[in-house]
Amino acid sequence: GESVGLHLPTLSVQEGDNSIINCAYSNSASDYFIWYKQESGKGPQFIIDIRSNMDKRQGQRVTVLLNKTVKHLSLQIAATQPGDSAVYFCAETVSGYSTLTFGKGTMLLVSP
Amino acid sequence: GAVVSQHPSWVICKSGTSVKIECRSLDFQATTMFWYRQFPKQSLMLMATSNEGSKATYEQGVEKDKFLINHASLTLSTLTVTSAHPEDSSFYICSARWAGYQETQYFGPGTRLLVL
Repeated sequence: GESVGLHLPTLSVQEGDNSIINCAYSNSASDYFIWYKQESGKGPQFIIDIRSNMDKRQGQRVTVLLNKTVKHLSLQIAATQPGDSAVYFCAETVSGYSTLTFGKGTMLLVSP
Repeated sequence: GAVVSQHPSWVICKSGTSVKIECRSLDFQATTMFWYRQFPKQSLMLMATSNEGSKATYEQGVEKDKFLINHASLTLSTLTVTSAHPEDSSFYICSARWAGYQETQYFGPGTRLLVL
């Protein structure tokens, strides 16, 4: 299930389940979005990106969905594995504007 | 491709000393590099944006005289924490963006700083 702690929401799933991580972004002008995975003690790793002219984009075992109407982004991970355990951040930006704005992050815990 | 390295990966120093952290793009030329700070279980906080050959742009609340940034080449940026204090202890992460793909940032592995 999903719980909200003092700092970081946590999603706990069983190995083999599909995981859905959600993100509400703040700027209606944002037109480029990225999902990053951050393992403990490491830097964020690029997973997948999507531009605002798309609603859905698929990668290997991952799918990103974008709903511009409600400013919502989601990351779906199929057949979740223990190695997927990490903190996942969404990031948004406006094309031509250099900086990324990061969401608060969600910790994904995968049990064998 | 798009590999970013940081050195050192961790450092312990005494209060009052200065610490330099290097960020390198290994297989591409980085027109822009970014420096972030991250506290445990929190998101990344942008400290400054660094363009090669020009002065860094600091975010509000970040002391530019304390966190010196140099971006002397298209593959190297350095962050120097001057006169470090225990409250500067944190995880510092750099990222780099290359000219061929403007928006995506690729991150280094981070540097953990502990000031005693």
